[in-house]
Amino acid sequence: EAGVAQSPRYKIIEKRQSVAFWCNPISGHATLYWYQQILGQGPKLLIQFQNNGVVDDSQLPKDRFSAERLKGVDSTLKIQPAKLEDSAVYLCASSLEWDSNQPQHFGDGTRLSIL
Amino acid sequence: DAKTTQPPSMDCAEGRAANLPCNHSTISGNEYVYWYRQIHSQGPQYIIHGLKNNETNEMASLIITEDRKSSTLILPHATLRDTAVYYCIAPNLFFGTGTRLTVIP
Repeated sequence: EAGVAQSPRYKIIEKRQSVAFWCNPISGHATLYWYQQILGQGPKLLIQFQNNGVVDDSQLPKDRFSAERLKGVDSTLKIQPAKLEDSAVYLCASSLEWDSNQPQHFGDGTRLSIL
Repeated sequence: DAKTTQPPSMDCAEGRAANLPCNHSTISGNEYVYWYRQIHSQGPQYIIHGLKNNETNEMASLIITEDRKSSTLILPHATLRDTAVYYCIAPNLFFGTGTRLTVIP
């Protein structure tokens, strides 16, 4: 089966600019996750969707970050405006159902550098 | 606020078994223990998960103590391609900093 697809692979922007990341989960996976991974740290959950509804966005900095999954398949994560501390890899993952104890499958992420 | 404790790094000789420990003393009764690994510039890769019983698949074995407060991931015959950061997470979704395993030729 095809894995989780993310684009772009790399992005360089200046602080205060906007940026968007795209994720296409594995076909049939109802649950989608966005993580932020800062260099030297483990992934940190930002938001979790079940179909097109938000299950958990408690760690999403909502003053600058937003995410949507309008049709319950693809998702976009946006940062506006970007800060220097947003430099990180943004990982998307998907799983069959959020409460089924099924493992997550990760994409290879988007590496964001803020100048 | 990771819920697990792992040694920051470990070495293992190629061909030998790699035993990676994890402490998850605050795990609740219905929470699974998951193991992932991450090779440089790639996303985390699922390895195995378990609740109470020991588990084995084509990649690894997972040994969970009877009190469920700790577990050990076993790679039976480590290869150079097993060099990676290994994450134990419990409950699901909370990653710590993991163990960097280096397999030495």
